[in-house]
Parts: sequence; C-alpha cells; structure tokens
Amino acid sequence: EVQLEQSGAEVKKSGESLKISCKASGYSFSSYWIGWVRQMPGKGLEWMAIIYPDDSDARYSPSFQGHVTISADKSINTVYLQWSTLKVSDTAIYYCVRSKSWFDSWGQGTLVTVSS
Amino acid sequence: EIVLTQSPGTLSLSPGERATLSCRASQSVSSNFLAWYQQKPGQAPRLLIYSAYSRATGVPDKFSGSGSGTDFTLTISRLEPEDFAVYFCQHYVNSPRQYTFGQGTKLQIK
Repeated sequence: EVQLEQSGAEVKKSGESLKISCKASGYSFSSYWIGWVRQMPGKGLEWMAIIYPDDSDARYSPSFQGHVTISADKSINTVYLQWSTLKVSDTAIYYCVRSKSWFDSWGQGTLVTVSS
Repeated sequence: EIVLTQSPGTLSLSPGERATLSCRASQSVSSNFLAWYQQKPGQAPRLLIYSAYSRATGVPDKFSGSGSGTDFTLTISRLEPEDFAVYFCQHYVNSPRQYTFGQGTKLQIK
C-alpha cells in the first residue's frame, strides 16, 4: 500500500525558515514524481513543485518558483519542501502527492501557520 | 497557460438525485491528462477519475467521467450522504511539466 507520511503541524513567525517532510513507503520511491500541493484556508488546490527522486530533477509552478525549494533524499524515501523566509500568506495546508499525470496518492497534510 | 473553470460553484441536490459537474478548459486538452478529485471536510483530496473517464481503485461505479477537447463532466448517480463534498478537476501538461486545478464545485445537501 502506498503511504505518504507527512511531518507535523508547524507554527512559525513571518521571516523564519521552515522545512517540512514527506516520507513515502509501499512503492519504488525513485520511480515516481512526488510533489507538493497547497490549500489555503477555505480555498482550492494549487500545485507548487514536483521532483523526480532518482535524479532530483525538480519543476516548479511559476507562482511558487523562487519562494520554495523542493528536494528529495532517496536513501530515506523522503521529499522536502522548504522556505527560507516565510510570509503570513504561506499559512495553509500542504499536501504531499505522488504523481503520474494525476495525483494518485496524497499525504495527510501539514498545517503551516505563520503569524506576524 | 491552461485555465480550468468549474461550474457550478455550488450545487444543491437531494440524496438519490444525479449530479452533473462541469470542467471547462481554456483550450483543447488531452483527455489522457484530465482527472477529478473528491475532498471531504478535514480530509485530503482523493483521486476519483483519471484520463477523463477511468475510475481510480476502489471508486464505485456511480462516479463516471466523460468529455473531450475543452469540456469534461463528472457525473454522480444516486447521491448518498457521503458524496456531498467538494470536487476538483485537474489537468497535466508534460512540456513544461505543469499541473492545473479547477477552482472546485461544492456539492451540498438541499
């Protein structure tokens, strides 16, 4: 069974840095693209970034390019999403997703709350 | 950039009725790369339909997808209480690799 286990909720202040994680199991980690989707409070879904763990080929939505960094450690089947400078507007739930052309598996979500 | 527009924004129906949700693309897209998701309150989204009409594993046959070109439809026959949720369509483009979601349709009990 494919499982994507995300790190726990975070409470941060504007300007701080953050790295959240997603550990995959139940499939060949290096063989699928894996990425992140944002959901702001009461809003829809936005694709942010995706990476192919085997060679760390990373792609970004133009809306998020330069603001977040995606990375992967295939030795521990884990993908990361990091911010160097958080904004209040980064407050959202972040979902880890496994991708074919669609997102067939989702993590449970990581709530990130950023205050001023 | 392809924009997906879902309609209606909110759909109010009664259990037992049939729901028809629309997803319109700003330009013609490949049906191979069109998917639908269901999201219930407090839960992660769940893949329902991929390649426009193929049901994901474990999805009951009351959910069906159709369409091509710019117009795609998710149909839910015989609504049950657990079907009332938010539904999103999504499209994928390979070069450059990009994923786009519609804004969602909320299906609520009338």
